[in-house]
Amino acid sequence: AAGVIQSPRHLIKEKRETATLKCYPIPRHDTVYWYQQGPGQDPQFLISFYEKMQSDKGSIPDRFSAQQFSDYHSELNMSSLELGDSALYFCASSLLLTTSGPNNEQFFGPGTRLTVL
Amino acid sequence: AQSVTQLDSQVPVFEEAPVELRCNYSSSVSVYLFWYVQYPNQGLQLLLKYLSGSTLVKGINGFEAEFNKSQTSFHLRKPSVHISDTAEYFCAVSLYSSASKIIFGSGTRLSIRP
Repeated sequence: AAGVIQSPRHLIKEKRETATLKCYPIPRHDTVYWYQQGPGQDPQFLISFYEKMQSDKGSIPDRFSAQQFSDYHSELNMSSLELGDSALYFCASSLLLTTSGPNNEQFFGPGTRLTVL
Repeated sequence: AQSVTQLDSQVPVFEEAPVELRCNYSSSVSVYLFWYVQYPNQGLQLLLKYLSGSTLVKGINGFEAEFNKSQTSFHLRKPSVHISDTAEYFCAVSLYSSASKIIFGSGTRLSIRP
């Protein structure tokens, strides 16, 4: 079965550079979530989108922005990178409504490991 | 607001021994409950979930968890562990509604000794 695809899998950037992470949800999934997992930390919610509209916002720095496109893929844009941005960034997708009602089972991608030097 | 507490940051267990990873949650409204596993340098894999119905939930790899509403707990158990179960385990909750963010606990590192 198709899974969530994230690219790139690994990314190395210098301080103050920008980075763009991409997420391709499972086909027919309409909701995308971004999470950040720092070294030795639990994943923290950043932001989510449903039908191309932002649906929820967590602890996402102002230097970061994200959007969901018409084909439902999402991009997380990160500017003025700092050393503390080094982390594993997960994307997850879900289908908002199923035939059995509201659904919140999120399927996670493999993550993008961002290293800021 | 919802929160998740995993009391044990590390749990060492001998191979073939039983294990229980503890999880307590706090929420004033109904929540979904999850256990995720993260193997070294890998992503998050769903072990099992509780949405409603039977309080005993069976997942992959022989794991099961029991939802206890009165104790607000969702402990993970396995009767006999293997070396391959070495990983980080995260308990998590989300609101009982669609498109709700997942809130993770701090994780429990399960290390299996031969």
